[in-house]
Amino acid sequence: NAGVMQNPRHLVRRRGQEARLRCSPMKGHSHVYWYRQLPEEGLKFMVYLQKENIIDESGMPKERFSAEFPKEGPSILRIQQVVRGDSAAYFCASSPQTKPGNQPQHFGDGTRLSIL
Amino acid sequence: SQQGEEDPQALSIQEGENATMNCSYKTSINNLQWYRQNSGRGLVHLILIRSNEREKHSGRLRVTLDTSKKSSSLLITASRAADTASYFCATDAKDSNDYKLSFGAGTTVTVRA
Repeated sequence: NAGVMQNPRHLVRRRGQEARLRCSPMKGHSHVYWYRQLPEEGLKFMVYLQKENIIDESGMPKERFSAEFPKEGPSILRIQQVVRGDSAAYFCASSPQTKPGNQPQHFGDGTRLSIL
Repeated sequence: SQQGEEDPQALSIQEGENATMNCSYKTSINNLQWYRQNSGRGLVHLILIRSNEREKHSGRLRVTLDTSKKSSSLLITASRAADTASYFCATDAKDSNDYKLSFGAGTTVTVRA
């Protein structure tokens, strides 16, 4: 399967714990985007990364959220000290070029994060 | 603010009928894309239409773009039960960096057998 792989598919955390979401882009893609989707809503852009670089994190809360895309391994979205409001579906997408507006983005099936 | 807004929010049709949904946006764009999302899954790209195009076809899908009205429509002809999904439009604002796609809240389509 050469598609975008996200894991885990479902993640349950208690308030105050940390959540780590992983995304392996499609083979040959070096650009990764993270989105958050609340129920009955569209996707909201969070962060755009290239290998070892954060290009734009303007959609990501400044507190508790961080993202990385190391030279080796998957991209990680990390949420520290989770709160109930972090409950959402988090999607990762990848593309081979820097202009996703001109190219389709390829999405994973998401991680559904539930905070108890 | 939301760049793309789909209308209607929900649509229920009989198998074999056509489904039409609309998307309006606020700022000038380079391109507009339509995606489908099945329940519990990620988004699947359907079609991309550039700002200098007015209409595009792909199988049973027809997309129109009216940049003067800042709106687009997606038509699914001869719908099937498998078309049941949420449909989203996504735009990249002309003045922004191309990587930022803005999604609407989607149209939920139910096709009854």
